[in-house]
Amino acid sequence: GAVVSQHPSRVICKSGTSVKIECRSLDFQATTMFWYRQFPKKSLMLMATSNEGSKATYEQGVEKDKFLINHASLTLSTLTVTSAHPEDSSFYICSARRDGGIEAFFGQGTRLTVV
Amino acid sequence: TQLLEQSPQFLSIQEGENLTVYCNSSSVFSSLQWYRQEPGEGPVLLVTVVTGGEVKKLKRLTFQFGDARKDSSLHITAAQTGDTGLYLCAGDRNGNNRKLIWGLGTSLAVNP
Repeated sequence: GAVVSQHPSRVICKSGTSVKIECRSLDFQATTMFWYRQFPKKSLMLMATSNEGSKATYEQGVEKDKFLINHASLTLSTLTVTSAHPEDSSFYICSARRDGGIEAFFGQGTRLTVV
Repeated sequence: TQLLEQSPQFLSIQEGENLTVYCNSSSVFSSLQWYRQEPGEGPVLLVTVVTGGEVKKLKRLTFQFGDARKDSSLHITAAQTGDTGLYLCAGDRNGNNRKLIWGLGTSLAVNP
């Protein structure tokens, strides 16, 4: 398999502040990475597709100014939750696929709590 | 509209019982993947099926891809408490910006 590392695994922040989450593919290059949000015992909800060297593609209903995505290299994508509010509290997960590959490999997830 | 219907959503069984989880769609997928997720962690890939009619076995887990590549099933024989978790199916439709289409998940609880 391939290794995707996500950091931090847990973060608590105050309402109104910004939080950055990193997603790294450790042993392969990923032109495309995906950011998901997940509610308890529910499936993954795709937020956006992160494209290396270009703008991210956001799913309908996801505010691109609130969830900033940067994919500056072939092994790193970041998601910044700006001006966080309690309703942004959730489990955020990234995934990456090898270029030309079928399987998606996931990071460990980040539990964000906004107080 | 849910493109990949996964059922059941919740399942609570006793250790030793068998179970089957289904993923159905009206769309054709080039491949379908099954994942298992534990609380607080990311999903872990169990298997990928590619060929219509394909059957793959992973110890007590049997995965099947429908002949028309529109549906798949996961069968667990003699479930154990360690099988508890969220099972997710995801379909790949080539050309769809490489996004996976996800089922709603099956939350399985295996009781001792």
